[in-house]
Amino acid sequence: QKEVEQNSGPLSVPEGAIASLNCTYSDRGSQSFFWYRQYSGKSPELIMFIYSNGDKEDGRFTAQLNKASQYVSLLIRDSQPSDSATYLCAVNEGYSTLTFGKGTMLLVSP
Amino acid sequence: GAGVSQSPSNKVTEKGKDVELRCDPISGHTALYWYRQSLGQGLEFLIYFQGNSAPDKSGLPSDRFSAERTGGSVSTLTIQRTQQEDSAVYLCASSASGLNTEAFFGQGTRLTVV
Repeated sequence: QKEVEQNSGPLSVPEGAIASLNCTYSDRGSQSFFWYRQYSGKSPELIMFIYSNGDKEDGRFTAQLNKASQYVSLLIRDSQPSDSATYLCAVNEGYSTLTFGKGTMLLVSP
Repeated sequence: GAGVSQSPSNKVTEKGKDVELRCDPISGHTALYWYRQSLGQGLEFLIYFQGNSAPDKSGLPSDRFSAERTGGSVSTLTIQRTQQEDSAVYLCASSASGLNTEAFFGQGTRLTVV
């Protein structure tokens, strides 16, 4: 059974700090990796995706992938209170469904 | 449409009744996913459609749940003889294909079984 593990949190950081969110996955065949943000009462919103080992930056967000360690992370620089949400890691192995972790709650305090 | 559309947004039904939830994916998207999210919980996979291939039904929790996708577009999730534990938000997502493409979610259907 494919598993995606995330620390449930909450992860609390002060405004302006770097938030680091981590995710591990069990299936070595996994090919694509996604980070979604979900505000309370809303549906998940895609914020980053990464397919290759290394870092991928988009604005204040950086996704990091290490396939050898089966590890993917999301860094949020200059965290803002509006970043407070649950962050979901999702993994896809080719033509198959997306497997989600249970999410990490991030709280950014002013 | 521009995004994934789900209907109804909210549904309240009596225990034992059947319900149908609809998902209209982004035009041209061949992959369609159904998930369920109970209050404060993660996303529970239900079923996955990819083009004309047989759907992956491995997440359906019981034989009361079924889904179909007509013409490779609109999908309907049917729950027969609803139970209180079926109360959740049912989320649909679609992607251009199942391989290395991003999935986008609809706004969900909040189902309450009373």
